[in-house]
Amino acid sequence: EAGVTQFPSHSVIEKGQTVTLRCDPISGHDNLYWYRRVMGKEIKFLLHFVKESKQDESGMPNNRFLAERTGGTYSTLKVQPAELEDSGVYFCASSGGDWDGKLFFGSGTQLSVL
Amino acid sequence: QQPVQSPQAVILREGEDAVINCSSSKALYSVHWYRQKHGEAPVFLMILLKGGEQKGHEKISASFNEKKQQSSLYLTASQLSYSGTYFCGTPTDSWGKLQFGAGTQVVVTP
Repeated sequence: EAGVTQFPSHSVIEKGQTVTLRCDPISGHDNLYWYRRVMGKEIKFLLHFVKESKQDESGMPNNRFLAERTGGTYSTLKVQPAELEDSGVYFCASSGGDWDGKLFFGSGTQLSVL
Repeated sequence: QQPVQSPQAVILREGEDAVINCSSSKALYSVHWYRQKHGEAPVFLMILLKGGEQKGHEKISASFNEKKQQSSLYLTASQLSYSGTYFCGTPTDSWGKLQFGAGTQVVVTP
């Protein structure tokens, strides 16, 4: 069974540019989450999808970040325009319909904004 | 409020033991532990649900003291494969939303 996959694994962009990150959750997982780790600090929650609906987007930093999950399958996270402080590792995670406390993470996208 | 982990980093020789602590300023009913090896995805290790409960994964065990609002992860007779960054996570009022600590980097040397 394929795990959570994220693309790209690394992205280097200049301030003001746009970047789109993609996440493919484990097949059949209705719950999809985005987390971010900045500069070796805590892994912080960004948002949670249940199928195609945003369940909780309380962690989204500002309106430069837009997450979508069309058809309840893969998800994209767009940053536009990117700022220096957006640099970090963006993790996607998924979980099944019944919350058993276990998140399945992807390897993350390392975003560097120069 | 994110949980606080200590130490930030630890270097061990194979066979040595280490303890990683995770504490919270708020009441907890569970603590989640994950390990991320360099460049890989964080992987679930265990969840502790009851006060005083202990669990194990390989030779890694953990305890949870809900009264003290803290959990400890014990790396016993460490192996090279234990190297990585260990994160503790605490639940929130939102399904699937965990608050993670800053991580403890563990390096096990031959």
